[in-house]
Amino acid sequence: DAGITQSPRYKITETGRQVTLMCHQTWSHSYMFWYRQDLGHGLRLIYYSAAADITDKGEVPDGYVVSRSKTENFPLTLESATRSQTSVYFCASSDQTGGRNTEAFFGQGTRLTVV
Amino acid sequence: KQEVTQIPAALSVPEGENLVLNCSFTDSAIYNLQWFRQDPGKGLTSLLLIQSSQREQTSGRLNASLDKSSGRSTLYIAASQPGDSATYLCAVVAGANSKLTFGKGITLSVRP
Repeated sequence: DAGITQSPRYKITETGRQVTLMCHQTWSHSYMFWYRQDLGHGLRLIYYSAAADITDKGEVPDGYVVSRSKTENFPLTLESATRSQTSVYFCASSDQTGGRNTEAFFGQGTRLTVV
Repeated sequence: KQEVTQIPAALSVPEGENLVLNCSFTDSAIYNLQWFRQDPGKGLTSLLLIQSSQREQTSGRLNASLDKSSGRSTLYIAASQPGDSATYLCAVVAGANSKLTFGKGITLSVRP
């Protein structure tokens, strides 16, 4: 199916553990993003990528690592999970056509709880 | 730093009412503005995208306008229905890197 999918949908992990959230898109969009959504803060950008092997920090990157070896995948790793990283994580993708940004499309989200 | 504001945070209207949701942004040098809908516990669904050179976009009962010079956008919903109840978020892209900056959203409740 075409689209952007995240896995897992729900995850409970313990403090200090490493956890990886997966994101896969089928459109070959050049841009991919990771956001977290928290009450009172809205959606905040963690990391983004303009193309394979090109990544950059967003607003709240501390404690997270990303990689993008293939255009379609953009995993987000929490190196040592903390309770403050309990959140809903959204992956998104978009593209540029003729110099114009296209619509951004979002995955269904991963609800992560760190205990 | 670009800031996006959506006021009020919540809105309750009776079914059938035409309504306007507001979005303001501080830096008028945007590439585009996008409106999203989010249902509880779900992801974001794109509603409308307005490029910086456009003034408005329409999709069904939805119409979004953009006034870059004043840093404002509005989402007009005609003949609201209970199924329109959701949180509506606006987001702007202000640079070539396509990063979206979001407002905190307006939670809309349409009463039958």
